Amino acid sequence: QVQLVESGGGVVQPGRSLRLSCAASGFTFSGFGMHWVRRAPGKGLEWVTLIWYDGSKKYYADSVKGRFTISRDNSKDTLYLQMNSLRPEDTAMYYCARSDIVVVPTSIDSWGQGTLVTVSS
Amino acid sequence: SYELTQPLSVSVALGQTARIACGGYNIGSENVHWYQQKPGQAPVLVIYSNTNRPSGIPERFSGSNSGNTATLTISRAQVGDEADYYCQVWDSSTVVFGGGTKLTVL
Repeated sequence: QVQLVESGGGVVQPGRSLRLSCAASGFTFSGFGMHWVRRAPGKGLEWVTLIWYDGSKKYYADSVKGRFTISRDNSKDTLYLQMNSLRPEDTAMYYCARSDIVVVPTSIDSWGQGTLVTVSS
Repeated sequence: SYELTQPLSVSVALGQTARIACGGYNIGSENVHWYQQKPGQAPVLVIYSNTNRPSGIPERFSGSNSGNTATLTISRAQVGDEADYYCQVWDSSTVVFGGGTKLTVL
């Protein structure tokens, strides 16, 4: 079955960097678009970024544009999120998730369990 | 940017029908997806493309979409349905989530 396992979360000071990883299994990773979605404490779901199945297109929420970079290694079935210039408001559970791409992304049909990022001095 | 508006909370009596609205300009022309998230768990897709249920989702969950409102309907509500529910669309190269609705089963 589809498995998405995030790692790399932790406590980091404001202004520092962190890299999240998501290991995928149980499906053809190179055939699906992949997202990062986060949920801050006491808030709702917030979409962060999406990468096309072949890495040819990348989209970002305004709140992270210029600071976060999504990438993927289809030879390793792994998704990444490089987070720079972190802010306290980036504190959240970060979920890796997948979508089929049919001209545009379809629904997000599988989610990982999340990795917690805390930005605090 | 496109906005989706949901009520903060909805309450329903055990065994009755709950309806959760998701408002957006001309949302009836969009593909709307719905997610359920219980405390401490990852979100789960419960309705995709307005009206479709993924395998494993009970028939009690249904969706509709017309005009400026999409609706998630949960029939014969159970205590296990208590969760946060989110609507979602793809618009202008971004994924947009509604603010979420907390469903309480009384």
